Formats: sequence, structure tokens, C-alpha cells
Amino acid sequence: DSGVTQTPKHLITATGQRVTLRCSPRSGDLSVYWYQQSLDQGLQFLIQYYNGEERAKGNILERFSAQQFPDLHSELNLSSLELGDSALYFCASSQRGGQPQHFGDGTRLSIL
Amino acid sequence: GESVGLHLPTLSVQEGDNSIINCAYSNSASDYFIWYKQESGKGPQFIIDIRSNMDKRQGQRVTVLLNKTVKHLSLQIAATQPGDSAVYFCAEGKGDSWGKLQFGAGTQVVVTP
Repeated sequence: DSGVTQTPKHLITATGQRVTLRCSPRSGDLSVYWYQQSLDQGLQFLIQYYNGEERAKGNILERFSAQQFPDLHSELNLSSLELGDSALYFCASSQRGGQPQHFGDGTRLSIL
Repeated sequence: GESVGLHLPTLSVQEGDNSIINCAYSNSASDYFIWYKQESGKGPQFIIDIRSNMDKRQGQRVTVLLNKTVKHLSLQIAATQPGDSAVYFCAEGKGDSWGKLQFGAGTQVVVTP
């Protein structure tokens, strides 16, 4: 058990909709990272937060946004969903802003 | 399992043998490299990392070798066990943006009894 909790585990929705994925980092970890894993693109870095502040940004679409709250949990918001957004979304955390060491088990998003 | 891509390279290893998983990385300016293991239905699990100023690093039953001349990274697993069956990813990154990792496509390791 990595200590990183992601909810929900599975999400099925339709094109054009909006969803929110939630991540609780491991206790004591200040940094949260979001990654997308799809069959054609592999694992892609989306965004990183450290203690509530955005630290690094990857190939995150404008339709996607994220934030880290004062209690350090993070949410990834995906809007105007398209079929191509179907993927596994992973959250990871680390104590400071270093390498992502602890990954959650992901949220599987299916767009119908 | 949760494999990346339809045509992951596969390494079949007999239980007890040593495994060598290879990775070619792209950015000669990368500061560090990480190996992750991903089991079916799970998120990636950190195995070991190595900085660009090192050639070799050892962990428990694992050794990572870095050859910067040819931009090649390898992970050696000693005495491979059934629990080592998983997809293994290498990732590279730079120190100015620790989380912004570039992942490889992955290698499926299958351990046979």
C-alpha cells in the first residue's frame, strides 16, 4: 500500500461532460503529481503541486485543471471530455518536491 | 493487466535466473533516471534511481547501470521471482523540475516457473 488514495477507482461518463478526480497524498507528503496513462501515449506528466502551489506543468490540456488544497489533497478537473481522454489517471506524492515516489492505484476514466 | 501500448516488448525469464531490462533514453541533459515497476491494476512503484554523475547503483536484488555515451540504462534483477512479473518503466528527468518525468514505453517481464 503506497499510502496515496485516489477516488473514484472507476468513472464512466459521456463526451462533453466534466469530472473531478481526487487524490489524498501519503501522510506528510507535500508534493502531488498527476499523470495520465493511455494505450497510445503511455505515461504522461500533467502537473505538479507543492504545498498548495503549482510547481511544474507538463502536457496538460487547457480543458484540464488541478489544484491542491490546504489539507494537501488534490483534485484534477477534466471538462468538455472527449473520447481520447479515456485513460488511467495516476496521482503520486513525495515528501518534498523531489521525484514522485508513491503512486496511487489510479482512476480509470472511460468516455462513452 | 494495465499495459501501456499494444506491443510492449516482453522479457520471459525463468524463476531464479537474472533479468536484464534495457532502456534507451532521449535527453542527454537529463539529471537522473528512475526505474518503476507496475503490476496489473496498480500504480507505478519506485524501484531505484540513479543520478547522471553515476554509472552504477545497487539496491536490494537490483542494479541499475547508466551508460551516458550511448544513452542507455539497464535494470538488472537478481534471482528473479514470480512476484517480479510486471511492466517495468524507465523514466528520465531534470533537477529543475523533479516531477516532470519522461517515461519510456515499458517492458513486460514474465517470470516462468
